[in-house]
Formats: sequence, C-alpha cells, structure tokens
Amino acid sequence: QKEVEQDPGPLSVPEGAIVSLNCTYSNSAFQYFMWYRQYSRKGPELLMYTYSSGNKEDGRFTAQVDKSSKYISLFIRDSQPSDSATYLCAMSAGGNNRLAFGKGNQVVVIP
Amino acid sequence: GAVVSQHPSWVICKSGTSVKIECRSLDFQATTMFWYRQFPKQSLMLMATSNEGSKATYEQGVEKDKFLINHASLTLSTLTVTSAHPEDSSFYICSAPKTAATDTQYFGPGTRLTVL
Repeated sequence: QKEVEQDPGPLSVPEGAIVSLNCTYSNSAFQYFMWYRQYSRKGPELLMYTYSSGNKEDGRFTAQVDKSSKYISLFIRDSQPSDSATYLCAMSAGGNNRLAFGKGNQVVVIP
Repeated sequence: GAVVSQHPSWVICKSGTSVKIECRSLDFQATTMFWYRQFPKQSLMLMATSNEGSKATYEQGVEKDKFLINHASLTLSTLTVTSAHPEDSSFYICSAPKTAATDTQYFGPGTRLTVL
C-alpha cells in the first residue's frame, strides 16, 4: 500500500462549479498536510497548509483533514479557468522530514 | 510565503557533459533543501536531501556519484548532473522548508534539462 493515495484521474468541471479533491494515507504519524498547485512546467505552489485534524478556509479554497479516517480534502468554490492546474496533496510527520506526495489531480475548468 | 529560486530555468547540453543547477532561498535560511525530479504527467520523485555543511542523503536508487549535491551555505544548494545522458532529461525542482516546525516546503520554479 502506498503511503499516499490520490486518484490521478483528470477532472473537468464547468466554470463556477465546486471542485472536490481528496487523498487518503496510511501513515498515522503524518500530522502536517498540504495542498500544492502546479501549473504546467512550473514548480508547485503552496495553496493550503493544515496541522492535524480540522478545516481551514482561505478565500475560495477549503482544506479538510480527518486524521481518524486518514483522509484529506480540498474544495475549490466558484472555480475559474485560472484554477486549471495539477493539484498535489502532500503530508509529513514533522521535524523537516521529507514530504510524501500524492500522484496529483489534473483539473480543467471549462469557461 | 517564501521565495525559492532556481537557475537556470532551462538548459540543453550534449551527452557526456556535466550540468550544474542552483537552488537559492531568497528570503530565509534553509539548513535543509530537497531535490526532486519530475517526468511529464508524473508526480515529484524525491532524489536527495541536502543538508548545509554535511553530506546529502540520497534516496534508494539515486546514484550519488552521478547527482552531486553541495549545500555550502544556508541559502544555496547545487545539484550537478555529471556525464549527463538523454535519460537524465527531466524537470528538476528544489524545495526548502522555511521553518523546522511546520515542514511546509516552498518550491523553486524548476529547471528543465534536455540532454541531446
């Protein structure tokens, strides 16, 4: 079983729709959870960061962490064409440990 | 956020030559930096962890004699691809955590290496 599972299937949504992305993980030591956005041929950009369980909202983005289920989610409200990118979940146990990444979801928002 | 830069952004070289890629943390000091490679439509693959003032730690399967890492200062790490071959063509990305507490890593813009 991989440490982090993220269904890499591409996701196409109409502009204005809600985008829902999620990852599951197996390592119970993970306590720092991140979502990165990566445009083609660019480095990943940190979108959301959450420590332990709970919700965090930043503008149109909401990140949720459920440590009991080992499940994290990212929601994008009122999606825009500029949100078209690959979204990677990442997590860490802390202490400058390396990040474990999901495979990434390619999201396309259709105008 | 935090700013991490990479240079060059794109390099083309002949097979057998060596290429050096620089990674700099511009507004913070980084005792640790990470080097990744990414093939098209694939996720990031960690190559090595670069530690300031000490030897890098390489992931299993990564040749340390081929991918030389030097972390000589708190703001600069370099990756040298020695005797590059076409199969080394890839997107190389570095990252650094801004603080030791959060593990939140900030990524550079990446370097596209093409070996002819």
